[in-house]
Amino acid sequence: GNSVTQMEGPVTLSEEAFLTINCTYTATGYPSLFWYVQYPGEGLQLLLKATKADDKGSNKGFEATYRKETTSFHLEKGSVQVSDSAVYFCALSDRGGANNLFFGTGTRLTVIP
Amino acid sequence: NAGVTQTPKFQVLKTGQSMTLQCAQDMNHNSMYWYRQDPGMGLRLIYYSASEGTTDKGEVPNGYNVSRLNKREFSLRLESAAPSQTSVYFCASSAQGQGGGQPQHFGDGTRLSIL
Repeated sequence: GNSVTQMEGPVTLSEEAFLTINCTYTATGYPSLFWYVQYPGEGLQLLLKATKADDKGSNKGFEATYRKETTSFHLEKGSVQVSDSAVYFCALSDRGGANNLFFGTGTRLTVIP
Repeated sequence: NAGVTQTPKFQVLKTGQSMTLQCAQDMNHNSMYWYRQDPGMGLRLIYYSASEGTTDKGEVPNGYNVSRLNKREFSLRLESAAPSQTSVYFCASSAQGQGGGQPQHFGDGTRLSIL
C-alpha cells in the first residue's frame, strides 16, 4: 500500500538556521511526491513537488530531492525565517486516475528570532 | 482568483443534527476531494470524485455522504453528527494529468464541533 512517514515534531529553530524535515514513503509503482505547507488558520498550499526519481523540487528557498533508492523526499532550507513557521506535510500521489494523495502526519516548525 | 471556496468556515452542531458542507472550485478541475484533519493524524481522505458524475469512498467514509452537484461543486453531508466527527474539514480539487503529478488545491477549511 501507500504510506508516508515524516519526522515527528515540533521543530524549533533560530532564525537563519538550517532546516531538514525527513520524509520517507512506501508506494506501489512510481509515485509523485509533494511538500505542502499550512499556515495557521489556513488550508494547505503546495510548496514543491517532484514527479520522478532524482528530480529536485524547489520553491522559496526550500528544496527536496526524490530519492528512489532510499524512498525519501527530505525537505531542506539553508536559512529559515520567522515567516517559515508553519506545519509541513509530505505527501505522495499514486498516479491513479483520481490523483489521490497520501499524507504524512505533518511537522510543526517554529522559527524564533 | 477564488480557487477553492468552502462554506461555512465554522459550525457547532449538537449530536444527531445534520448538515452539509459546501465546496466550489473555479479552476475547471475534474477531480475533487474531501479530507478531515485531526491532531497528529495528518489529512485523511473521506470521499473523492474523480470526475463529474462519479464519487468514491476514501479512507474514512463512515458517517458521511457526498454529492458531486456539477463540475464546480462537491458537497459533504453529515446525516447524524457524532462527537467523533469534530474535526477540520478540507475540500480540494485537481486537474487530471497523464501519469499523475497534478497538485491538489485546498480550501481554507471548515472547523466543525459536535457537542
